[in-house]
Amino acid sequence: AQTVTQSQPEMSVQEAETVTLSCTYDTSESDYYLFWYKQPPSRQMILVIRQEAYKQQNATENRFSVNFQKAAKSFSLKISDSQLGDAAMYFCAYRSFGNEKLTFGTGTRLTIIP
Amino acid sequence: DTAVSQTPKYLVTQMGNDKSIKCEQNLGHDTMYWYKQDSKKFLKIMFSYNNKELIINETVPNRFSPKSPDKAHLNLHINSLELGDSAVYFCASGSSGDRVETQYFGPGTRLLVL
Repeated sequence: AQTVTQSQPEMSVQEAETVTLSCTYDTSESDYYLFWYKQPPSRQMILVIRQEAYKQQNATENRFSVNFQKAAKSFSLKISDSQLGDAAMYFCAYRSFGNEKLTFGTGTRLTIIP
Repeated sequence: DTAVSQTPKYLVTQMGNDKSIKCEQNLGHDTMYWYKQDSKKFLKIMFSYNNKELIINETVPNRFSPKSPDKAHLNLHINSLELGDSAVYFCASGSSGDRVETQYFGPGTRLLVL
């Protein structure tokens, strides 16, 4: 079974600085997708960024980028120029091709220090 | 325009009662999901429906019964509520025609069983 591990329950970063959230996963599949979702105090789950495993290029979305290391099964999220609005729980998630099931990690709570 | 909506947002009820949570999506997606987020923020899939047909049914007690009257709606009915059912329930939708099939989440329903 696929598992997703987020080893950092909590992280904090100074406003305007850069922070990296780690995520590792375990799978025997070769074709799959990885996602980072953000859950602010409002509770809404918001898609931050996604990566297709067959693409070697790391995905980027404005201040958010990933470091996807397929061989190491690692999918970290880098947030540049951290803003107060980035404070939230961040969940890493995995889905294999052809399977609707999305498997989540346990989340990392990110605090932004003004 | 709300993409995935859920009602109610909050639900407080007594043990033993029966309650329903409604979900609607206006994204034209053909697949809908129910997830449960426990008190430790862990998110786990419960059900998945594709074109009104049950695709995924994780080991969920049969007190939980999803119903999909059409592609845009997936309701969750819970019988004989127990204290352990207290959680946040998220509805999500996605398109199986989209290779990446990103799932978009509703705002969540916080259920408290007393």
